[in-house]
Amino acid sequence: NAGVTQTPKFQVLKTGQSMTLQCAQDMNHEYMSWYRQDPGMGLRLIHYSVGAGITDQGEVPNGYNVSRSTTEDFPLRLLSAAPSQTSVYFCASSYSGQGGNYGYTFGSGTRLTVV
Amino acid sequence: AQKVTQAQTEISVVEKEDVTLDCVYETRDTTYYLFWYKQPPSGELVFLIRRNSFDEQNEISGRYSWNFQKSTSSFNFTITASQVVDSAVYFCALRPYNQGGKLIFGQGTELSVKP
Repeated sequence: NAGVTQTPKFQVLKTGQSMTLQCAQDMNHEYMSWYRQDPGMGLRLIHYSVGAGITDQGEVPNGYNVSRSTTEDFPLRLLSAAPSQTSVYFCASSYSGQGGNYGYTFGSGTRLTVV
Repeated sequence: AQKVTQAQTEISVVEKEDVTLDCVYETRDTTYYLFWYKQPPSGELVFLIRRNSFDEQNEISGRYSWNFQKSTSSFNFTITASQVVDSAVYFCALRPYNQGGKLIFGQGTELSVKP
């Protein structure tokens, strides 16, 4: 049981380049989300999904694109990388259980540097 | 607006001291969920506790305890007899009602426990 798998773990991009951060979960969780972590700002929600084919914006969506064609995968696309997108990115999956038993599983993170 | 505030940016204690990390949240929902996560220097997010808004019972787990008070919108975390291994960044988070996949994080508190 791998949980949430994020790839790559590290990436350096040049300004203007595009790339996709991969996120996959094998727990059949309906919810998936992407966060970025910057010093002193905690984790901020970029985009999230409540099921295959359904996505919505979070607090800081500009410059990022997502899609969810399957329950397992939720890739995050940087369309044209900017230095302001230098950050650590976390993917999470979650479920809704009985009695409010909501659980979240986080990936190990992707450290992205844009130069 | 929904918000989580962790006013303590950094805390430094000497081993065996007790330490309390504060968390204040804002939400208009009557049903919501609160979480605490630990982020050690290795970077992963470690789940500590989840609390439902309709369950105000305080919880103790070993050296960890949590004090949930709806009247003051606070969910504070106490470590008793701190140890060097407790050194980490600690995040408090809020999951709004009926918004799967969406966690609102506080800014985090960096705890340093010195021998």
